Amino acid sequence: NAGVTQTPKFQVLKTGQSMTLQCAQDMNHEYMSWYRQDPGMGLRLIHYSVGAGITDQGEVPNGYNVSRSTTEDFPLRLLSAAPSQTSVYFCASRPTRTANTEAFFGQGTRLTVV
Amino acid sequence: AQSVTQLGSHVSVSEGALVLLRCNYSSSVPPYLFWYVQYPNQGLQLLLKYTTGATLVKGINGFEAEFKKSETSFHLTKPSAHMSDAAEYFCAVSDYDMRFGAGTRLTVKP
Repeated sequence: NAGVTQTPKFQVLKTGQSMTLQCAQDMNHEYMSWYRQDPGMGLRLIHYSVGAGITDQGEVPNGYNVSRSTTEDFPLRLLSAAPSQTSVYFCASRPTRTANTEAFFGQGTRLTVV
Repeated sequence: AQSVTQLGSHVSVSEGALVLLRCNYSSSVPPYLFWYVQYPNQGLQLLLKYTTGATLVKGINGFEAEFKKSETSFHLTKPSAHMSDAAEYFCAVSDYDMRFGAGTRLTVKP
């Protein structure tokens, strides 16, 4: 009963490095999303996907890329990390992009960019 | 766009006291509202949700929330706080995407 799995849990990057945060869900959910959590700002939506091959931008997409080649996986890519991207990142999935469905969250990835 | 505002970034109560965490929403259509809890170094877990129907919603761990349209509020309450309730709590509103408040950190004093 894994739900939403994120890897890695912790990561330290140097400015300018690239990396991919992995997210997988085993609930056959159509909708997946990435949020970043910063103190005093709650969770802000970075990108989302409503199904394989379909992605779109959220509130704070700059500096991040996503793709969705399968229903299960939704990786988040940082092409050139900046200190402003130091944050905790959460992947979430929902059965559909319907307003009354709850989101299921992964455990988070704590990223530090130095 | 829909949004939520959580009043009070930190709330401290004594064990056994009433817990009240405040959330007000802004929405041009009937909202779908959620409360999530985040324990240290963990993801968010659903406490309860309001979609339609009964305005008093009961959730896990003894929490409940009341949807008040006239006050655009969805405050979270628990009659008697336990030490294990210490966590961060997020109110969220959903149209197609889910938007979260800034969070309220609850501290429970022995």
